Amino acid sequence: AQTVTQSQPEMSVQEAETVTLSCTYDTSESDYYLFWYKQPPSRQMILVIRQEAYKQQNATENRFSVNFQKAAKSFSLKISDSQLGDAAMYFCAYRSTSAGTASKLTFGTGTRLQVTL
Amino acid sequence: GAVVSQHPSRVICKSGTSVKIECRSLDFQATTMFWYRQFPKQSLMLMATSNEGSKATYEQGVEKDKFLINHASLTLSTLTVTSAHPEDSSFYICSAGTGFEKLFFGSGTQLSVL
Repeated sequence: AQTVTQSQPEMSVQEAETVTLSCTYDTSESDYYLFWYKQPPSRQMILVIRQEAYKQQNATENRFSVNFQKAAKSFSLKISDSQLGDAAMYFCAYRSTSAGTASKLTFGTGTRLQVTL
Repeated sequence: GAVVSQHPSRVICKSGTSVKIECRSLDFQATTMFWYRQFPKQSLMLMATSNEGSKATYEQGVEKDKFLINHASLTLSTLTVTSAHPEDSSFYICSAGTGFEKLFFGSGTQLSVL
């Protein structure tokens, strides 16, 4: 079974600075998707960024980018120019493709990001 | 973009009663929907995979007789918490998607059992 590990329960960053959230995973599969989700106090899950395992190029979405190291099974999220609205719980997630669209998401334990002035 | 609607957002019930939570895909058909449970300050734990027209697949440790899942149409899945007890109090979230890379989440249901 796949596992996702987030080793940083909490992180803090100053506004306008850059922060990196860590995520590692364990799998024997070669084809899969990785995601970062944001959960603000409203508890609505918001997709931040996704990465397809067969793509070597790191995904980027505006201020958010990932460092995907497939061999190391590492998938970190970098947030540039941090804003107060970035404060939230961030979950790293893995999705296999082996069961088709019935493939479930496996989540890490989450990292709570605080943004300070 | 695709939207998943979840209702109700909050429910309070007495111990021993049953509660139904609905999850609807509003602009796409979902053959599969997922039900998660989230305790305070914890991650999302998958409870079951809901399959349209067939029985749900439950994760290990989840009581299928307590958490009844019905996926009667391509746009609706329901989770019924039967004979609810205080330990069932939690945040329940559903999700559905249009492909491997797109999974959308409902806004969640906070269940409080008195």
